[in-house]
Amino acid sequence: GQQLNQSPQSMFIQEGEDVSMNCTSSSIFNTWLWYKQDPGEGPVLLIALYKAGELTSNGRLTAQFGITRKDSFLNISASIPSDVGIYFCAGQKGGFKTIFGAGTRLFVKA
Amino acid sequence: EAQVTQNPRYLITVTGKKLTVTCSQNMNHEYMSWYRQDPGLGLRQIYYSMNVEVTDKGDVPEGYKVSRKEKRNFPLILESPSPNQTSLYFCASSSHIRDRGPNTEAFFGQGTRLTVV
Repeated sequence: GQQLNQSPQSMFIQEGEDVSMNCTSSSIFNTWLWYKQDPGEGPVLLIALYKAGELTSNGRLTAQFGITRKDSFLNISASIPSDVGIYFCAGQKGGFKTIFGAGTRLFVKA
Repeated sequence: EAQVTQNPRYLITVTGKKLTVTCSQNMNHEYMSWYRQDPGLGLRQIYYSMNVEVTDKGDVPEGYKVSRKEKRNFPLILESPSPNQTSLYFCASSSHIRDRGPNTEAFFGQGTRLTVV
């Protein structure tokens, strides 16, 4: 099936550092989504992006919908221990068919 | 409280024994979806439904069935489970917001861990 390439696979950072992760695809998407998953829980939607070039923030999180519509990035500023988890990007081409990336596992050292 | 409820949370079954995982949402959402999560693969969409009696295949529908007879419920049926269907399953629901996509309010259940032996 279609794939999203999400990188990095994992990150080990110090508390207070900024974090950046991204997703790329060979296909164009109409919507990009970013989720966070804590252990034992379902994913939680962080940011949704609907237009090429759109830059959206949610607290310390900022995500952008790439101009080519084939990529997106998520930045987390001034990381804290509770940012630990798995971050997923997801893309939609239209309707409700959704493709997820494999995830970026974030570890934050206090 | 707005929520998506899946049952059971954990299930161990034997190959070939039909099973149903239930999913219910209390938010009057039009869209519901089933995913499976496997290590290193992220979430893969199995089936989705855009409204009552409207369902469509996701990326990995083989071996699964769904039905949407009521807006709030979207059960996942495994007619003849096999060991390769051992996975963590998530149900999700969303509401369509005008001029936005259906995932503007995406809620996931807590997951069902299925083991087929």
